[in-house]
Amino acid sequence: DAGVTQSPTHLIKTRGQQVTLRCSPKSGHDTVSWYQQALGQGPQFIFQYYEEEERQRGNFPDRFSGHQFPNYSSELNVNALLLGDSALYLCASSEQAVSNQPQHFGDGTRLSIL
Amino acid sequence: QQPVQSPQAVILREGEDAVINCSSSKALYSVHWYRQKHGEAPVFLMILLKGGEQKGHDKISASFNEKKQQSSLYLTASQLSYSGTYFCGTCKAAGNKLTFGGGTRVLVKP
Repeated sequence: DAGVTQSPTHLIKTRGQQVTLRCSPKSGHDTVSWYQQALGQGPQFIFQYYEEEERQRGNFPDRFSGHQFPNYSSELNVNALLLGDSALYLCASSEQAVSNQPQHFGDGTRLSIL
Repeated sequence: QQPVQSPQAVILREGEDAVINCSSSKALYSVHWYRQKHGEAPVFLMILLKGGEQKGHDKISASFNEKKQQSSLYLTASQLSYSGTYFCGTCKAAGNKLTFGGGTRVLVKP
């Protein structure tokens, strides 16, 4: 039973570029959440997708957008990259409501902005 | 608002006990605990729903005091494998997002 898979593992971009990160949830999970984790800090919630719609959003600018596909996989898009966007981006999947369900995390995508 | 974890770091000898606290200024619906080892994804430990129940996972247990909006994670008879960074995550209401604290770094030495 495959867990949460994310691609790519590492990515290097320059300021102003855009990037797309991908996530496949654990089998049986229909909710995908994205987090940004800076070095030495806790994961910061970006947004959550359920039934192909953004259900909740954290304090991130509109440069951060996402999508969920009918097979529950998800993408995170970041436009006009800034140096401060350098971080580990984690995808987590769960069965519907995150508030009372465990989240299963992928290994993340390490994004470096030069 | 981000929950506050304490202490920020703790060093233990194998077999010793430790307590990690997670406090919120808002009323909570649930508290989640995760452990993240260096270079790896966070791994789920347990969820506590309001009601004050205590849960356990091997020799790791936790409690949730909803009146104080505080949760504590207890590491009992620590093992080398307990090393890592522990994060608490809080939800203010059913269906709400998870907000993580800054983490507590735990190092268990032989």
